[in-house]
Amino acid sequence: DVKVTQSSRYLVKRTGEKVFLECVQDMDHENMFWYRQDPGLGLRLIYFSYDVKMKEKGDIPEGYSVSREKKERFSLILESASTNQTSMYLCASRTSRNTEAFFGQGTRLTVV
Amino acid sequence: GQQLNQSPQSMFIQEGEDVSMNCTSSSIFNTWLWYKQDPGEGPVLLIALYKAGELTSNGRLTAQFGITRKDSFLNISASIPSDVGIYFCAGPPRGGGADGLTFGKGTHLIIQP
Repeated sequence: DVKVTQSSRYLVKRTGEKVFLECVQDMDHENMFWYRQDPGLGLRLIYFSYDVKMKEKGDIPEGYSVSREKKERFSLILESASTNQTSMYLCASRTSRNTEAFFGQGTRLTVV
Repeated sequence: GQQLNQSPQSMFIQEGEDVSMNCTSSSIFNTWLWYKQDPGEGPVLLIALYKAGELTSNGRLTAQFGITRKDSFLNISASIPSDVGIYFCAGPPRGGGADGLTFGKGTHLIIQP
C-alpha cells in the first residue's frame, strides 16, 4: 500500500519562528510536492521537486523554502512564520511516469 | 495555463440519493483523476481515467472521461453518510513533466439526515 507520511497532524507555532514540516514517502517516487489548502482557494502549489537536491517554485513560494536531501524525504520550511501562513499543508508524491499523485494526511498549522 | 471548473461547488442531499458532479477544462486532457478528501485528512485517489470515453467504477462511484477530452463526470449512487467530504477533479501536470497536477476547486458534498 502506498504511503506518504507527514510528521505532524497539528502544529501551533509563534509568529517569527522557523517551522519545519516533514514528509516521507515509501514508494520510491521521483516527484514530490507541497501544497497549502485554504477555504475557497483550493489546493495551491508551493514547491515541487523532481529529484534529490532539485526544487522548483510553484504558484506561491514566497515565505517558504524546501529541502530534498534524500529521495524519500521532502521538507517544507517556513523561515519566519506569519499568521497568514496558518493553513492546511499537504504533501504529495508520484512517479515520473504516472500522473497519479498520492497525498499525506495533512498538517494543520496555526501561527499565533 | 490549464484551468479546471468544477461544479457544483456544494451539494446538499438526502441519504440514499444519487450524486453527480463534473469538471471541465479549458484545454484537452489526456488524464482525469478524481480524489476525495475527508474532513481534516489528505485527498485520497478514487478513480483514474486515461482514455476518452472511458467509464470506470469503484464500488458505488462511477467516473467518465468525456469524449471531447475537456470534461469528466463523477457519479455516486445511493449516497451514505461516509460519502461526506470534498471531491476534487485533477488533470495532468500543468507545465508537463514533474509539475504539480491541475486541480479543480472541489465539490463539497453534505448529506442531510
